[in-house]
Amino acid sequence: EPEVTQTPSHQVTQMGQEVILRCVPISNHLYFYWYRQILGQKVEFLVSFYNNEISEKSEIFDDQFSVERPDGSNFTLKIRSTKLEDSAMYFCASDISRGGDTQYFGPGTRLTVL
Amino acid sequence: EDKVVQSPLSLVVHEGDTVTLNCSYEVTNFRSLLWYKQEKKAPTFLFMLTSSGIEKKSGRLSSILDKKELFSILNITATQTGDSAIYLCAGSAGGSEKLVFGKGTKLTVNP
Repeated sequence: EPEVTQTPSHQVTQMGQEVILRCVPISNHLYFYWYRQILGQKVEFLVSFYNNEISEKSEIFDDQFSVERPDGSNFTLKIRSTKLEDSAMYFCASDISRGGDTQYFGPGTRLTVL
Repeated sequence: EDKVVQSPLSLVVHEGDTVTLNCSYEVTNFRSLLWYKQEKKAPTFLFMLTSSGIEKKSGRLSSILDKKELFSILNITATQTGDSAIYLCAGSAGGSEKLVFGKGTKLTVNP
């Protein structure tokens, strides 16, 4: 069964450093998402992406964050200057159709900012 | 602000028990309610509900939506230790692609 994959599974970085989290969505999916889950808290929406542009973003997704699909298969989330509060599990998701009702999630990247 | 509230937050049962997990929602322009199972890491899709009163079933799991009272339940019958997980409920709204998640119910099934 096709699945969303994410790398790395765990990333440790120093505050102020840039990180890039990578995702390979399911191959025939067209809509891509990033969510995060701070330890012990809810899964929170960050951004949705379609046709090489952001279609929706949350208040969390400020200028420190960016997304791109550099090569038609990978979907990346970049955090330019990490803060301690960026420590969380980051989930990528993809969907074949618009609307977000059948999103398939990847296994997540645990980001630890020291 | 849209919100989804799940109860209980935690539940411990014995194998063979039946459990009911609750999810209430306040989502503007509500479109659908989804249930996910989260073991270790990735939430895995269980059900999507859009219509009131129509039960969806998958093996020992079933779910139903009440759009008048704004809630959904997830039932698991004859629980097994493999059902131990966090069960997440999420709402979606028309005109939006994001899912709004609840905090989840942590289910522990003891042998």
